[in-house]
Amino acid sequence: GAVVSQHPSWVICKSGTSVKIECRSLDFQATTMFWYRQFPKQSLMLMATSNEGSKATYEQGVEKDKFLINHASLTLSTLTVTSAHPEDSSFYICSARGVINQPQHFGDGTRLSIL
Amino acid sequence: DAKTTQPPSMDCAEGRAANLPCNHSTISGNEYVYWYRQIHSQGPQYIIHGLKNNETNEMASLIITEDRKSSTLILPHATLRDTAVYYCIVRVAAGNKLTFGGGTRVLVKP
Repeated sequence: GAVVSQHPSWVICKSGTSVKIECRSLDFQATTMFWYRQFPKQSLMLMATSNEGSKATYEQGVEKDKFLINHASLTLSTLTVTSAHPEDSSFYICSARGVINQPQHFGDGTRLSIL
Repeated sequence: DAKTTQPPSMDCAEGRAANLPCNHSTISGNEYVYWYRQIHSQGPQYIIHGLKNNETNEMASLIITEDRKSSTLILPHATLRDTAVYYCIVRVAAGNKLTFGGGTRVLVKP
């Protein structure tokens, strides 16, 4: 089945640091990638949608200057949390889709802890 | 995309069939029903999807009522590894967003 790889699995860093998370589709070309965030005991919340070669579309309330998304190729998207603070600590999950009517497949998430 | 309603939790016996209901009374004619599950501390896993016909794959069966206002995900022989939160989502095939609701927390007991 389709595989989406996310790296790193977890990261702990100091407040003010910028953190980059990578999302790769390993066996298909992802025309669209999605970034979600999940706080403890809550459901997944979509942060942004990106199409390869285009600027990402952010959901209401998500700061685009804080959460930088790059989808430069059909197999790679990155999310950079700039100047991270403790309130940015969360579980970040990427998702990818190839052909438009095919299911989205998810990575295993990145647990981000900001001290 | 149409909203879905699922019970917040349910227990299932290991080895028995688990039937997970989902109501989507406002579903449109071009919206599919998708099921995902999320095992603790992992990303969601795609299970199955369908439009109006019943669907079956190696993981589960999806039964959609004739009026399409509700559906049931069936795990034929639940195992302890099936303990997870199960999400029922409706979306147009060409739609971008998968919007996650609260899901059903399924606990499979020995």
